[in-house]
Amino acid sequence: NAGVTQTPKFQVLKTGQSMTLQCAQDMNHNSMYWYRQDPGMGLRLIYYSASEGTTDKGEVPDGYNVSRLKKQNFLLGLESAAPSQTSVYFCASSTGVLYGYTFGSGTRLTVV
Amino acid sequence: AQSVTQLDSQVPVFEEAPVELRCNYSSSVSVYLFWYVQYPNQGLQLLLKYLSGSTLVKGINGFEAEFNKSQTSFHLRKPSVHISDTAEYFCAVSARTQGGSEKLVFGKGTKLTVNP
Repeated sequence: NAGVTQTPKFQVLKTGQSMTLQCAQDMNHNSMYWYRQDPGMGLRLIYYSASEGTTDKGEVPDGYNVSRLKKQNFLLGLESAAPSQTSVYFCASSTGVLYGYTFGSGTRLTVV
Repeated sequence: AQSVTQLDSQVPVFEEAPVELRCNYSSSVSVYLFWYVQYPNQGLQLLLKYLSGSTLVKGINGFEAEFNKSQTSFHLRKPSVHISDTAEYFCAVSARTQGGSEKLVFGKGTKLTVNP
C-alpha cells in the first residue's frame, strides 16, 4: 500500500549510543515531518522539511539531527541517546497542509 | 502563535451513547482545522477537516465536527458510539513556520473509552 513507512518499529538503545530512524514515502509529497509522542504531551514537532534538501527545527530539536537528501526519505538521527528521548516517533508527509498529513505507524524507542 | 487546547484528556462513555470531544484553538488568522484518530499501537488517521465554507463537517465513521469562529472551537461529535471507537483523538490547527512553510500544531489528545 502507498504511504509512509518507518523503520525500525521498535528499538532499545543504551545511553550514549547513536542511531538513525528511517522514513520513506511513495506519494511524491514535498513536505515531511518528525514528531515525538509522549503520554499527556500530544505530538511535538522535532524537525520538518518543506522540500528536498531543506530542513528546519521544530519545537523540540535538541539532541536530534535530520537529513533529507532524497525527496522520498527523511532520516532522524540521535547522536548520543538519552533516557529523555524514550518516546514514540512518528514521521508524516504532506503535499500541502490543507490536505492534512499521512502518518507512518511509528517507531517505539526506549533508551536505557 | 497558533495553539490547540483539548479540554478533556479522557472521556468514558457507554456504547450507543452520544459523545462530544472538545477542541479550542487560538489564532489571529484564518486557519485549517483537523481531527485525527489514533487506534492503539497505530499511527494517526485523518477523521475530518475544515478548510472553509459550511461550518458542519462530516468525516469517516459517522463523526462530524462544527467550526465556530466566534467561540474559536472545533468540537467533534458522534450521535452513537461503538466499542470500536475507543481510541485517542487529536485536534490540530494549521500554522506558519518561521521559514514561511506550513505545519500542523496538535492538541494533547483526548482518550475516548467506549464501555459495553
